[in-house]
Amino acid sequence: GESVGLHLPTLSVQEGDNSIINCAYSNSASDYFIWYKQESGKGPQFIIDIRSNMDKRQGQRVTVLLNKTVKHLSLQIAATQPGDSAVYFCAENKYGGSARQLTFGSGTQLTVLP
Amino acid sequence: GAGVSQSPSNKVTEKGKDVELRCDPISGHTALYWYRQSLGQGLEFLIYFQGNSAPDKSGLPSDRFSAERTGGSVSTLTIQRTQQEDSAVYLCASSSQRGGQHEQFFGPGTRLTVL
Repeated sequence: GESVGLHLPTLSVQEGDNSIINCAYSNSASDYFIWYKQESGKGPQFIIDIRSNMDKRQGQRVTVLLNKTVKHLSLQIAATQPGDSAVYFCAENKYGGSARQLTFGSGTQLTVLP
Repeated sequence: GAGVSQSPSNKVTEKGKDVELRCDPISGHTALYWYRQSLGQGLEFLIYFQGNSAPDKSGLPSDRFSAERTGGSVSTLTIQRTQQEDSAVYLCASSSQRGGQHEQFFGPGTRLTVL
């Protein structure tokens, strides 16, 4: 089956540095991708999304890059702060019948060091 | 608090018992999803409700799992004859078809522990 996966399960960065979290997907039919942030004890929270007709999208301190050629997307967090420590999931949208489902990767644990 | 709420936040049960998990979606959201998250894992899709359409149950792992959504709002996920492998966090999400079908708003989850 096709799935979404992450390159690294953990990432530690110094406060103030930039963070890059990577994600690979294998379903070439996926046309929509989302990054979620999940803090301990909470549900995932939407960060940013990107459609397959775009290569880059910027939000507040975050940028998502999509490389359809190699089926890879990344989340860049500028000037990482302690509050950014969380698990980050990428998710892809698959079309299956009449339902829309998001397929999630296993997540990357981001730890911001003081 | 206009977000998605779930209850209970924690549930400890004995193997073989039935459990019911509740989800209150954001008012007006037509779509409701249930996911299961095992420790250190991503989210596993379980079931999806959209309006009055028949639910997509393709993610339910066995016939011990069922869910219903009453009046297009509150949803209950029922696990019968619980097993230890059912231990996980069960997350509910809702979304607005009009506002952007893809953005799902998640509740805090119910942590289920089966002893």
